[in-house]
Order: sequence, then structure tokens, then C-alpha cells
Amino acid sequence: DAEITQSPRHKITETGRQVTLACHQTWNHNNMFWYRQDLGHGLRLIHYSYGVQDTNKGEVSDGYSVSRSNTEDLPLTLESAASSQTSVYFCASSEYGETEAFFGQGTRLTVV
Amino acid sequence: AQSVTQLDSQVPVFEEAPVELRCNYSSSVSVYLFWYVQYPNQGLQLLLKYLSGSTLVESINGFEAEFNKSQTSFHLRKPSVHISDTAEYFCAVSSPNSGNTPLVFGKGTRLSVIA
Repeated sequence: DAEITQSPRHKITETGRQVTLACHQTWNHNNMFWYRQDLGHGLRLIHYSYGVQDTNKGEVSDGYSVSRSNTEDLPLTLESAASSQTSVYFCASSEYGETEAFFGQGTRLTVV
Repeated sequence: AQSVTQLDSQVPVFEEAPVELRCNYSSSVSVYLFWYVQYPNQGLQLLLKYLSGSTLVESINGFEAEFNKSQTSFHLRKPSVHISDTAEYFCAVSSPNSGNTPLVFGKGTRLSVIA
């Protein structure tokens, strides 16, 4: 079955370190998204991509970057982790022209 | 810009009682509307969606939502809840006019079903 997987599921890192969260989907979807989930804020869009070599900033993109070198993967990089980036991160994908987005299980990141 | 307001952050309800989770949206263009459910320690799953046509949409597990354009609302209802419905529910909006605009989510409503 097609799926979307995130790794790691849990990570603790130190302030100032560079961290990369992986997202891999086997749906062959063109669209991929990264959200962060925080209590009282719901899900907020970080970055998204509509295809290979395409990336776009979302609502809360400062301190984050993404790159799309193939259809299956959209890694999220925190250039210099900050305590304010402690959150649960969700990756999602959808097919161009389709309305349903499929979500990964999430990565819980703690910055100490 | 689009936005979603979920009016209740937490809703406790007794088992077998009815429930309504409220959602209002703001958009200057036509919309697609969604309800997603998140069970503890899991990702989000699509519960139901409104794209066009009938304003009343239903899910396979007894939830329904009604699109009300004049009130810009998309409230979620269930006539009789079960313990297994305990979860966080997110309302979301996107626009059909711009191809594939990302989903914009509300802050979520935590539904707690009490035995």
C-alpha cells in the first residue's frame, strides 16, 4: 500500500544544531507540505512544494528550509535549532488537482 | 487570505449524547471545506469534505457537516457519540480557484467523550 512516512518519530537536539526531518511518500504525489502543530495554534504551514525543484514559503517559514530533488521526498531542515521550534511536525502529500491530503505520523522534536 | 475559526477548544460530552463542533471560515473566493480527525499520537485523517453540490456531507462513522454559505460555517455534528470518538478535530479550508492551495487549518477542538 502507498504511504507517507516520517523519520525520526522522536528527536531531541541542542540549540544551535542543524536538524533534518525526513518525509518520504510512495503515492507519487506532486504536492508535499510541512506543518507544525502547537497547542493553541493548530497546524501551521511551514513550506510546501508542487513538484521537483519547486518550493514555497508558508506562514511560519523563518528558520526552516526544504528542497525537492525527487518526487518522493521533501526533507525539512532547521538551520540552527531554537527552543521555539520545539513542536510536532507533520508532513503531508496530495495529488495535483485532488483535494485530499494524506498525513504522516508526525515527528516530535524537542530543542534543549 | 483564508482563515478558519473553531469556536471551542475543548468539548466534553457524555457517551450517547449529541455533539456539535463549530467551524467558521473566512474567504474572498469559493472554498473547499474539510474536517480532519487526529487520534492520540497519530497523524491526521480525513473525516469528510465539502467540494460542491449537496451542502450536507456525511462520513462513514456517523458524523455529518453542513456547508452554510450565508453564515460561512461548516459545523460538524454527530447524533450519538462513542468513547472511540475521543480525538482532536480540525476544520480546514482551501480554494478551488488557485489549483492546489495548501490547506489552512483551524486551531482544533478536543472532543472528550465521557462514559
